[in-house]
Amino acid sequence: DVKVTQSSRYLVKRTGEKVFLECVQDMDHENMFWYRQDPGLGLRLIYFSYDVKMKEKGDIPEGYSVSREKKERFSLILESASTNQTSMYLCASSLLAGGDNEQFFGPGTRLTVL
Amino acid sequence: AQKITQTQPGMFVQEKEAVTLDCTYDTSDPSYGLFWYKQPSSGEMIFLIYQGSYDQQNATEGRYSLNFQKARKSANLVISASQLGDSAMYFCAMRRIHTGANSKLTFGKGITLSVRP
Repeated sequence: DVKVTQSSRYLVKRTGEKVFLECVQDMDHENMFWYRQDPGLGLRLIYFSYDVKMKEKGDIPEGYSVSREKKERFSLILESASTNQTSMYLCASSLLAGGDNEQFFGPGTRLTVL
Repeated sequence: AQKITQTQPGMFVQEKEAVTLDCTYDTSDPSYGLFWYKQPSSGEMIFLIYQGSYDQQNATEGRYSLNFQKARKSANLVISASQLGDSAMYFCAMRRIHTGANSKLTFGKGITLSVRP
């Protein structure tokens, strides 16, 4: 089974802190994704990566950056956390970018910025 | 641009009955795929079923089936014989199909399903 793990289930940070959310997948997938999920808005794509050191902006990249130094690991970085970044963050991976390849999700990190 | 619409605010179904969760979509791409995911209260998104725009038959996966009406741009999820464990939020998503890297999933806002004993 594909396993996508995220470093924390719950995280509380203060405004202005630098925050790292880590995601690791164990199935040698090429593609990895970061979403945020907010009530009434569904999932919105922040960034995705289709290869090591390759990244592409999603629909809401402002205030975020990402890092993918190794194939299995994709990190989301909040350079200076703000209260409007309080949200559920979901990481996903897929073998290939298109076609019928479903994305496999991690359990999510619920981030609260005070 | 692609858009997914899920307008049902919340659905209730009696255990063992069937339920349909609506999804309409909008796209100008001739080739696309539609996905349904389940998100229980634990938070993890679980892939349920996939339908390709050129698939001749409606997709089925155990108790899940997809009522795909291409002309109406709808891809409703049908859950037969509901179980208490089906209580969750359900998301419809779509992606254009091509071999390039930039093929993102677009999600709807989700529908909450509650199964009553």
